[in-house]
Amino acid sequence: SQQGEEDPQALSIQEGENATMNCSYKTSINNLQWYRQNSGRGLVHLILIRSNEREKHSGRLRVTLDTSKKSSSLLITASRAADTASYFCATDFNQAGTALIFGKGTTLSVSS
Amino acid sequence: ETGVTQSPTHLIKTRGQQVTLRCSSQSGHNTVSWYQQALGQGPQFIFQYYREEENGRGNFPPRFSGLQFPNYSSELNVNALELDDSALYLCASSFLQGSGDSPLHFGNGTRLTVT
Repeated sequence: SQQGEEDPQALSIQEGENATMNCSYKTSINNLQWYRQNSGRGLVHLILIRSNEREKHSGRLRVTLDTSKKSSSLLITASRAADTASYFCATDFNQAGTALIFGKGTTLSVSS
Repeated sequence: ETGVTQSPTHLIKTRGQQVTLRCSSQSGHNTVSWYQQALGQGPQFIFQYYREEENGRGNFPPRFSGLQFPNYSSELNVNALELDDSALYLCASSFLQGSGDSPLHFGNGTRLTVT
């Protein structure tokens, strides 16, 4: 079963624009992670935010977490063509947090 | 540091056959997890191994089994293949920490097609 659900399913923007993806989940979590997947390849970890954190930054990435609404957002600023990929949120499946439940992902297309 | 490697990259099998997929974990990692990703879907957790023991399992039948070896490499075995087993199988390694916030490092997967 899917824990996280991303919204929108697909997003098309121009280079230089910002991209925002949202994730909703169902049960309480220890942390939430975002991953990127280029077509047909493995996932790459982007950022992890703990349940007691509200916002986190990493380069052009900004993640927010609202545990009261069970939702998170990923903002990519000044998008580049190389950001074209699928983006997944993932929540911890077990106490250790090393088994994750992924959503269906948002497919981002950045055109130059 | 050596990343996660998976073999083979592509595989075609017939329904009813058995398949073994292999994974070499990133150096320094002691935990390996396997995920199944159907086309257009997110990865689904199959199971995880820590110190050669199964350490959690998702909603997959017993015909999905695994092994982790002392060098932390791993195998995923699937018996009695079904058409719905066609998917990208991803291996991910991590270092299991008590704080529970260890990111996963994924290989590029094995694309399995069952005909």
